[in-house]
Amino acid sequence: DGGITQSPKYLFRKEGQNVTLSCEQNLNHDAMYWYRQDPGQGLRLIYYSQIVNDFQKGDIAEGYSVSREKKESFPLTVTSAQKNPTAFYLCASKVPWQDEQFFGPGTRLTVL
Amino acid sequence: RKEVEQDPGPFNVPEGATVAFNCTYSNSASQSFFWYRQDCRKEPKLLMSVYSSGNEDGRFTAQLNRASQYISLLIRDSKLSDSATYLCVVNADTGGFKTIFGAGTRLFVKA
Repeated sequence: DGGITQSPKYLFRKEGQNVTLSCEQNLNHDAMYWYRQDPGQGLRLIYYSQIVNDFQKGDIAEGYSVSREKKESFPLTVTSAQKNPTAFYLCASKVPWQDEQFFGPGTRLTVL
Repeated sequence: RKEVEQDPGPFNVPEGATVAFNCTYSNSASQSFFWYRQDCRKEPKLLMSVYSSGNEDGRFTAQLNRASQYISLLIRDSKLSDSATYLCVVNADTGGFKTIFGAGTRLFVKA
């Protein structure tokens, strides 16, 4: 089945540690996105990538980094510079000729 | 002013009720509009696109008023399974890279 997978579903880390969230898609989509969702708030864009080896900062990129070495993969690293990293992280993808974004199941990160 | 604003709710309605959600957006250049549904602790999923002519999918009807920069979602004959958060989503450009999500309206349908 085609889709987007994110792992792990739940992640716990100590403050000051970097952590990498995985996002893989087999939909052959060019564009991929990372969002952050906090309680009672809409999704906020962290980074997006339109094509392999290219990515752009979103609205809240500080303290995060990404790579796009393969079309299928768009991992997100939450660095120790991110002041409030505890949140629900969602990865999405889309094709250029459609507006609908398809989401992965999300990773819930808790920093202790 | 937020770029996309929704009534946060929650809306508590009995089964069979009709419920309407409203959404306003600030960018008059916005290109496309959607309603997504998000279940508790799950990812958002597309419910329907919204067109100026209005569109209907079973019990769900979506309307767009570009002049007023207003989007609506009407749910008729509510079911228990309709309980979720409904997100209003606006694309401000044709590439879809300027996508703004509303904070969502929470709906509880009770027996």
